[in-house]
Amino acid sequence: EAQVTQNPRYLITVTGKKLTVTCSQNMNHEYMSWYRQDPGLGLRQIYYSMNVEVTDKGDVPEGYKVSRKEKRNFPLILESPSPNQTSLYFCASSFSQGGDSPLHFGNGTRLTVT
Amino acid sequence: DAKTTQPPSMDCAEGRAANLPCNHSTISGNEYVYWYRQIHSQGPQYIIHGLKNNETNEMASLIITEDRKSSTLILPHATLRDTAVYYCIVRATYSGAGSYQLTFGKGTKLSVIP
Repeated sequence: EAQVTQNPRYLITVTGKKLTVTCSQNMNHEYMSWYRQDPGLGLRQIYYSMNVEVTDKGDVPEGYKVSRKEKRNFPLILESPSPNQTSLYFCASSFSQGGDSPLHFGNGTRLTVT
Repeated sequence: DAKTTQPPSMDCAEGRAANLPCNHSTISGNEYVYWYRQIHSQGPQYIIHGLKNNETNEMASLIITEDRKSSTLILPHATLRDTAVYYCIVRATYSGAGSYQLTFGKGTKLSVIP
């Protein structure tokens, strides 16, 4: 089944403890992206990648890192999480970033930083 | 990207067609109309998209008016599992580098009633 898989689904951590949220897609998509969703703020893009070894900042990149060493994987790294990074995170992928290419989302990771 | 306007909520009887309207009066010629839905806090689910012509897939039909200023998403036989927030999004075709911007507004909360 074609899908975007994120892990873990739920994560509770403490301030400053490095964590990684994994994202994998099995559709051979070139474009991958991370978003966070907060009440009243909608979906905001954190980082995106147009292909292997090509990444760029979205609207809210501060406090996050990403890497794209393989086409299928796009992990999100929080080197020193803070409470304001408590949010619902979505990974997404599409064949390309063209307008005719739908974006497919994972099921989300709910992160709580205390 | 052009702005969209949707009713905040709608009800639909189970088994009947759900018709969700969207106004996008400032849409330009190279912008696609996309529909997504989000069930509770799951990842946004892609439904359908179109540019000028009406489109149909296994989930829904998309009817775009001739002047492209509005569209309607049709779920032919709504079930309880179709209860969700539905987002109508207008997205431009990109050429060259750039992020995949998907601006989710407030959407329409569709409640399917038994």
